[in-house]
Amino acid sequence: DIMLTQSPATLSVTPGESISLSCRASQSISTNLHWYQQKPNESPRVLIKYASQTISGIPSRFSGSGSGTDFTLNINRVEPEDFSVYYCQQSNSWPLTFGSGTKLEIK
Amino acid sequence: EVQLVESGGGLVQPGRSMKLSCAASGFTFSSFPMAWVRQAPTKGLEWVATISTSGGSTYYRDSVKGRFTISRDNAKSTLYLQMNSLRSEDTATYYCTRDTTSFDYWGQGVMVTVSS
Repeated sequence: DIMLTQSPATLSVTPGESISLSCRASQSISTNLHWYQQKPNESPRVLIKYASQTISGIPSRFSGSGSGTDFTLNINRVEPEDFSVYYCQQSNSWPLTFGSGTKLEIK
Repeated sequence: EVQLVESGGGLVQPGRSMKLSCAASGFTFSSFPMAWVRQAPTKGLEWVATISTSGGSTYYRDSVKGRFTISRDNAKSTLYLQMNSLRSEDTATYYCTRDTTSFDYWGQGVMVTVSS
């Protein structure tokens, strides 16, 4: 199974800061990596697909990069509504796997 | 508007069975693979199973293989998850998702609690 390691587990930031979240795969997954946001008591929603492809309706402050084993989700100038948990997920091979998540909290 | 509405959850004893349903609308259901993803209380997301458009191909995580069956009825635009021999570790919110390689639409989730 492909393991996805997200770091940090928790990130405390002030609104307006720009941040990067990391997702590292245990083996190469090309760009078959997707990012999700989950707010408390809500279903997840996809933010970025295939490492860097944008999704209609997602604010432009969210962007992704990476390939192979190292991936990054960037949030340019964090907004109050961005404080939630972020997951990465690989679709390169079965079983599909998720990272353990990064919680973005207000400092 | 795409909608996925799960039903069928609740409290069930260990070793018993339960069947979840997911009613889809707002898109051509038969054209998309579908999946179930679960989330144990206070834990992260875990993929459970995926089914192809026709239902001819199914994929499962090892921990549910042989116990869970994913199926679909394209005429009714409905996805199912038959869960047998349930264990306490199956306790989770189960989400129905549209699987376009990423999970691009999610239902609101249905809670399944396995406890005596």
